[in-house]
Amino acid sequence: TQLLEQSPQFLSIQEGENLTVYCNSSSVFSSLQWYRQEPGEGPVLLVTVVTGGEVKKLKRLTFQFGDARKDSSLHITAAQPGDTGLYLCAESTGNQFYFGTGTSLTVIP
Amino acid sequence: GAVVSQHPSRVICKSGTSVKIECRSLDFQATTMFWYRQFPKQSLMLMATSNEGSKATYEQGVEKDKFLINHASLTLSTLTVTSAHPEDSSFYICSAVGLKNTGELFFGEGSRLTVL
Repeated sequence: TQLLEQSPQFLSIQEGENLTVYCNSSSVFSSLQWYRQEPGEGPVLLVTVVTGGEVKKLKRLTFQFGDARKDSSLHITAAQPGDTGLYLCAESTGNQFYFGTGTSLTVIP
Repeated sequence: GAVVSQHPSRVICKSGTSVKIECRSLDFQATTMFWYRQFPKQSLMLMATSNEGSKATYEQGVEKDKFLINHASLTLSTLTVTSAHPEDSSFYICSAVGLKNTGELFFGEGSRLTVL
């Protein structure tokens, strides 16, 4: 079982603030995905990163994959209440998928 | 995108009874399905990986006789919680990958199990 550590575990911020969530592993990722999950629902895929050093942007979300492919970050600019949810990184190797420890984000209006 | 449906979304049962949760891929064939358990505000804990037509592979610490998984077809996997106890109360989520594994997981909506 891969161990993916996310930090912080909990984050509560005011609307309009910026934040960064981190995902780290002791092993090299073959590819890494970020998901967002709202209470009572299944996770929804936000992005997949594959290449070391890769940066992807999705509106106010910026995803970065470390050069060594052992870490990733998610940066949200000007957070909104709609960004509230559980953010999960996940690593897939072949047919195996393992999730990070999760970051629960609350954006206060 | 591909659709995965879980049923029931919520179930309440008495202690000692068994509960079956279904996971269906509606518009694609899922060679592999995964079952996860999740506690509030925590991440998904992989319970088992099931491949169509073969026995499920359980993660360490997950009782296979307690959580029976059947993947009888390319579109259906079931999780049966046998002799349920209150500590089995949780949110159970299934996910699937298609025949052409693109590296993306497609998730069901989840099933909230409450054991009284």
